[in-house]
Amino acid sequence: ETGVTQSPTHLIKTRGQQVTLRCSSQSGHNTVSWYQQALGQGPQFIFQYYREEENGRGNFPPRFSGLQFPNYSSELNVNALELDDSALYLCASSWRTGDNYNEQFFGPGTRLTVL
Amino acid sequence: AQTVTQSQPEMSVQEAETVTLSCTYDTSESNYYLFWYKQPPSRQMILVIRQEAYKQQNATENRFSVNFQKAAKSFSLKISDSQLGDTAMYFCAFMKRFDYGGSQGNLIFGKGTKLSVKP
Repeated sequence: ETGVTQSPTHLIKTRGQQVTLRCSSQSGHNTVSWYQQALGQGPQFIFQYYREEENGRGNFPPRFSGLQFPNYSSELNVNALELDDSALYLCASSWRTGDNYNEQFFGPGTRLTVL
Repeated sequence: AQTVTQSQPEMSVQEAETVTLSCTYDTSESNYYLFWYKQPPSRQMILVIRQEAYKQQNATENRFSVNFQKAAKSFSLKISDSQLGDTAMYFCAFMKRFDYGGSQGNLIFGKGTKLSVKP
């Protein structure tokens, strides 16, 4: 069973640029959630994708957007990067059904630095 | 809105001893899950233990146990026989549970407690 993977591991961008982060969900999982973890803070929920549609969003502006593909992998896109976007971005996958608790399994994260 | 508070930014414990990490939360929901996650220096977040709010019995996983006080909205983690590998950031988290049994997608995390286990 393959775990959650994320790419790239590290990324450096400048203010105003755009970035795409990628996540491959754990085998058999159909749901991907994205979190932003600023230095010294707990992760904050950005959004979740289920069956290729956004299914819940946290308090993040529209310049944070995402996609989920038919194989359930996902992308997080951030436009017009700001210095405060510097953080560890975590992806978590889960198997969602209506009747069961769906544990989220986390990837190792992508460290984004905005200069 | 739900909030999760961890009032201990850092703690340390001697190897083989017991340590308790504190967590309080605020919610108007009656149906939810509570979690403790561990994030070692390697960064990968790992689930340590889960508690369902409708269950009165405290969850236990090997050396890890919780003290869940629903009325007080308190959820502490006890680590017994601490090991060097327990050194990590520990996050308390909340997730709303729907009445039909499914759960809302987003975890709400506290700011974390940095635990150091000393030899």
